[in-house]
Amino acid sequence: DAGVIQSPRHEVTEMGQEVTLRCKPISGHDYLFWYRQTMMRGLELLIYFNNNVPIDDSGMPEDRFSAKMPNASFSTLKIQPSEPRDSAVYFCASSLDTSYEQYFGPGTRLTVT
Amino acid sequence: GESVGLHLPTLSVQEGDNSIINCAYSNSASDYFIWYKQESGKGPQFIIDIRSNMDKRQGQRVTVLLNKTVKHLSLQIAATQPGDSAVYFCAENGEGSARQLTFGSGTQLTVLP
Repeated sequence: DAGVIQSPRHEVTEMGQEVTLRCKPISGHDYLFWYRQTMMRGLELLIYFNNNVPIDDSGMPEDRFSAKMPNASFSTLKIQPSEPRDSAVYFCASSLDTSYEQYFGPGTRLTVT
Repeated sequence: GESVGLHLPTLSVQEGDNSIINCAYSNSASDYFIWYKQESGKGPQFIIDIRSNMDKRQGQRVTVLLNKTVKHLSLQIAATQPGDSAVYFCAENGEGSARQLTFGSGTQLTVLP
């Protein structure tokens, strides 16, 4: 199994630009989670999906952030417009319905200048 | 002004010694706990988990201890190796049937030669 796949691995963009992060969960997993990790705030849950349906988006910082899961094998996290304070590592994770164990992807390091 | 990041607890141990990493969890309703290891530049990786009906669980070179009375979790690593150098996170499931985990701030383990 390839594990959770995220792309791109690194993204550098200018303030005001739109950024789209992508995630392919492990096949057969029912849950998908998006996290943000910074030195200031540690690992924060942004949003999670169950069977492609958003369940809890209370961690999404503001309306500039949106996430979609059009099918069981693909999710996107979009930031529009991006700001320097969005610079962080964004992780996607997935899990089975029968387990709390989450499998993390390698992350996308986002730098907004 | 100067930004202040999270002050990660740090633990330095000599190679071959045993390591003990501690974690205080917050929610007395949590009934599932998990330890993750995060190496530099990578996503968190599962190490070991424990349910609240147990107070000890052993894996390969690792042992997790749970003290529900004081809401304390510890991870013991036997014969620590250089490859064990990483940030270690504990996580709890909180209450209800939701599948999200709440992560602690992490402990940086450094193995000295």
